[in-house]
Amino acid sequence: SAVISQKPSRDICQRGTSLTIQCQVDSQVTMMFWYRQQPGQSLTLIATANQGSEATYESGFVIDKFPISRPNLTFSTLTVSNMSPEDSSIYLCSVLNYNEQFFGPGTRLTVL
Amino acid sequence: ILNVEQSPQSLHVQEGDSTNFTCSFPSSNFYALHWYRWETAKSPEALFVMTLNGDEKKKGRISATLNTKEGYSYLYIKGSQPEDSATYLCASVPSGTYKYIFGTGTRLKVLA
Repeated sequence: SAVISQKPSRDICQRGTSLTIQCQVDSQVTMMFWYRQQPGQSLTLIATANQGSEATYESGFVIDKFPISRPNLTFSTLTVSNMSPEDSSIYLCSVLNYNEQFFGPGTRLTVL
Repeated sequence: ILNVEQSPQSLHVQEGDSTNFTCSFPSSNFYALHWYRWETAKSPEALFVMTLNGDEKKKGRISATLNTKEGYSYLYIKGSQPEDSATYLCASVPSGTYKYIFGTGTRLKVLA
């Protein structure tokens, strides 16, 4: 398994601002992902974070709103840009290790 | 079924009761079914990975079954304890992809 940490664990932000969430893994992994879970909804994949190239976004998610960095095989960031109350969610990063996904503890974001 | 659906959405049981919940998923193009246990402010914890029709897995008081022909999985908890209180997520993985499709989860509260 992989041990994953995320910072911050939670935040309350004002509308129109941006927040960057960090994800650190204790070992090198090829595939890292970012998910969100809006209230009452399922965990939804935002994008695959690719090391050394642009992230691959799922339908409904765009780079301008959710820029992602992946500078190496153990670290990634997700920025939630120009936030609105609809962005209030739990954001999780995950890694694929031996065909199984392991998750970070999540970042609980509230946008006022 | 096009999406992954879980039922019930939430339930309360008394300590010592046994309980079960359902995960329904698309039966076509199926590769694997994952169950996770997710406590607030913690990382989702992997419980089971199942791939074969008729699979049964057990971990302590928790067990799961899989029917790939009809597209459902059951999770059973025997003799529920307050520490079992969590959200239980299932995720279906279609063949040929690493992408997990999550249900909305079943929120379990075990009352002492």
